[in-house]
Amino acid sequence: GESVGLHLPTLSVQEGDNSIINCAYSNSASDYFIWYKQESGKGPQFIIDIRSNMDKRQGQRVTVLLNKTVKHLSLQIAATQPGDSAVYFCAVSGGTYKYIFGTGTRLKVLA
Amino acid sequence: GAVVSQHPSWVICKSGTSVKIECRSLDFQATTMFWYRQFPKQSLMLMATSNEGSKATYEQGVEKDKFLINHASLTLSTLTVTSAHPEDSSFYICSAWDRPNEKLFFGSGTQLSVL
Repeated sequence: GESVGLHLPTLSVQEGDNSIINCAYSNSASDYFIWYKQESGKGPQFIIDIRSNMDKRQGQRVTVLLNKTVKHLSLQIAATQPGDSAVYFCAVSGGTYKYIFGTGTRLKVLA
Repeated sequence: GAVVSQHPSWVICKSGTSVKIECRSLDFQATTMFWYRQFPKQSLMLMATSNEGSKATYEQGVEKDKFLINHASLTLSTLTVTSAHPEDSSFYICSAWDRPNEKLFFGSGTQLSVL
């Protein structure tokens, strides 16, 4: 079955530095990957997505990298800001419209 | 981007009562919606898939008689927690599939506290 995990439960980053959040998945047939940001008491907010026919996609201050060979996904946040503090989840397609969520990484931005 | 509205954002109820949570897609039609449960400091756990005009598909271990799902229109799905008990207290989140754009959007969540 599908399993999704994150390498680090908590990541502390100095304000202005770059953040890298990692995610591993097990199903080689997964073809769609999404990163979500969840602030306390709120629903997940879409950040960026990538399909399996790509290995990199960039947004505003964020970049998602996909390595299908090792089934690894990462989210890079440039110039991390206090407003980036949240829990970040990766989600991997586990079937028709269904997504399996990783355990989450809490990003703490230090002033 | 697409907006999914979830209401109420928080609710406190007495044990034994039923609570209804609404999930609406505001600017797109969603034939498929999902309901999740999230415990503190944990990830989202998929409870069920809600399909417009048909019965919901529940994940293993989720009591369908306990968590009633109705998806009567293309923009509205409801989750009713029947005969709620303190162990049902949790953060419930819905999501809606925006088919044309192939994206999944989430509601803001409902914090349920059963006394």
